[in-house]
Amino acid sequence: DVKVTQSSRYLVKRTGEKVFLECVQDMDHENMFWYRQDPGLGLRLIYFSYDVKMKEKGDIPEGYSVSREKKERFSLILESASTNQTSMYLCASIVSGNSYEQYFGPGTRLTVT
Amino acid sequence: GENVEQHPSTLSVQEGDSAVIKCTYSDSASNYFPWYKQELGKGPQLIIDIRSNVGEKKDQRIAVTLNKTAKHFSLHITETQPEDSAVYFCATLLNTGNQFYFGTGTSLTVIP
Repeated sequence: DVKVTQSSRYLVKRTGEKVFLECVQDMDHENMFWYRQDPGLGLRLIYFSYDVKMKEKGDIPEGYSVSREKKERFSLILESASTNQTSMYLCASIVSGNSYEQYFGPGTRLTVT
Repeated sequence: GENVEQHPSTLSVQEGDSAVIKCTYSDSASNYFPWYKQELGKGPQLIIDIRSNVGEKKDQRIAVTLNKTAKHFSLHITETQPEDSAVYFCATLLNTGNQFYFGTGTSLTVIP
């Protein structure tokens, strides 16, 4: 089974802190994604990466950056956390080619106070 | 960009009844339409998908229909069970890239 793991299930940070969210997948998938999930808004794409050191902005990249130094790991960075970044963050991966099945991690519930 | 609308936002059905969730999309370049189920405390999980060259797909109690002309697709769950209670999301994928666009979700409650 494909496994996508996220470093924390729950995280509480203070305004202005730098926050790192880590995601690891074990199936050699090329493409990885970071979404945030908010009630009534569904899932919105922050960033995605289609290869090591490659990244593309999604719909809401402001206030976030990403890092992909190894194929299996995709990190989301909040440079200076703000209260409006309180949300559920979901990581996902897919293999490129003919399959589009997305595998999601369990999510990280981030609260910024 | 693509705009995906999903209805209803909440749905309650009696156990054994059917449930239908509908999504519309705006971009005719969308060619892949997955449905995800998200249980409490978990990430979304793909339950069924359909590609643009197919009008209907069925997997046991779950089916998806696609009307490309009208740009809408629907999830049908028959003989609902309490374990079907979850949030369901539709999504689309354009034929031009790897970005998925999601609906806003439907919270389904199956009443025993």
